[in-house]
Amino acid sequence: KNEVEQSPQNLTAQEGEFITINCSYSVGISALHWLQQHPGGGIVSLFMLSSGKKKHGRLIATINIQEKHSSLHITASHPRDSAVYICALPLVGKLIFGTGTRLQVFP
Amino acid sequence: DTGVSQDPRHKITKRGQNVTFRCDPISEHNRLYWYRQTLGQGPEFLTYFQNEAQLEKSRLLSDRFSAERPKGSFSTLEIQRTEQGDSAMYLCASSTNRDRGSFGEQYFGPGTRLTVT
Repeated sequence: KNEVEQSPQNLTAQEGEFITINCSYSVGISALHWLQQHPGGGIVSLFMLSSGKKKHGRLIATINIQEKHSSLHITASHPRDSAVYICALPLVGKLIFGTGTRLQVFP
Repeated sequence: DTGVSQDPRHKITKRGQNVTFRCDPISEHNRLYWYRQTLGQGPEFLTYFQNEAQLEKSRLLSDRFSAERPKGSFSTLEIQRTEQGDSAMYLCASSTNRDRGSFGEQYFGPGTRLTVT
């Protein structure tokens, strides 16, 4: 069993829709990362959170440490949000990554 | 642009050849990571450095792979006798960490895409 599981693996949406991506993990952690990867490979860190909720523009990340679950929400989705979204756990100095959720937003 | 650069961005090589990749982290970052990503998968940890010390190596890093960070600044990742299975995106990231147990936000480079023919 992978330490980090994401769902769904693939997601398509119409512009304007509310998007939710889920991440469940099986190990104890103090924080969790959400990352965005665009075609071509570049990875950008979106959030690092250890409790509650963080918001940045149209992106919202929540985490429940006790339930070992985190969600990434995108409000009013836009085609430029199309990317792979990855959750990652810091473990013993390094990141363990989920397999990612590929999001495509159509106009 | 995150401030982390990698060179080259693309490398095509024939099986059996040696290749070397370079990563220049953000200058004040003391920690540097190498990851490998194959198509459709999330990145996998290879190794990381705290300053010039290599603190951990994944079992993915066979003896054909070697990484260095000689002056605690840039790092190189060398693959000897490349195999087709080495074809992947090699990602570098850097961060600032107070001590071995702490963990700071990582900034990723654009990656080096290796194709072994």
